[in-house]
Amino acid sequence: AQSVTQLGSHVSVSEGALVLLRCNYSSSVPPYLFWYVQYPNQGLQLLLKYTTGATLVKGINGFEAEFKKSETSFHLTKPSAHMSDAAEYFCAVRGNNDMRFGAGTRLTVKP
Amino acid sequence: GAVVSQHPSRVICKSGTSVKIECRSLDFQATTMFWYRQFPKQSLMLMATSNEGSKATYEQGVEKDKFLINHASLTLSTLTVTSAHPEDSSFYICSARNAADTQYFGPGTRLTVL
Repeated sequence: AQSVTQLGSHVSVSEGALVLLRCNYSSSVPPYLFWYVQYPNQGLQLLLKYTTGATLVKGINGFEAEFKKSETSFHLTKPSAHMSDAAEYFCAVRGNNDMRFGAGTRLTVKP
Repeated sequence: GAVVSQHPSRVICKSGTSVKIECRSLDFQATTMFWYRQFPKQSLMLMATSNEGSKATYEQGVEKDKFLINHASLTLSTLTVTSAHPEDSSFYICSARNAADTQYFGPGTRLTVL
């Protein structure tokens, strides 16, 4: 079985500041890890994913995440927040078959 | 990139009626499709997993007689909410997995039951 915990349901940063969204996972098998973004009334857009290989994964819109097995973490970062980054972000883990999502973190970007 | 469509994008129905939501993989064959439900300001909850030509596997707590899933072809899965009630109002999102084991999500269907 697998599960995801996202620490912080709401994160607020100033434009240009560092974005850090936290995700910890639990999985009985080597996990595949994902970050998705969701804008209001829309579906999910894949930001990045980790399957195997390099533990630092770069995604779209300047986001990246690092898989740390020892910490069971997959935190999402972006060096400089943009107003357009304001959205809901979901971390997800896939074990054997299906994908499980965290509760989500709402990112607010202040001008 | 791969595209998954859902139809309709929004539907409003009266309590007691049934509603069918279609999920299509437009440019790939999906051996496995997933249906998720998302309540306002909450995460996606997996409802069921369906494989083409076989019965869907429902998650614990999901009523299979209420949420009928049909995965009739490699590009189409349907979710029928039978005898809908206001508490069924939600955002329903489907997902399709291709042969390369990549999962793509549809844009979602917002169901409102009056």
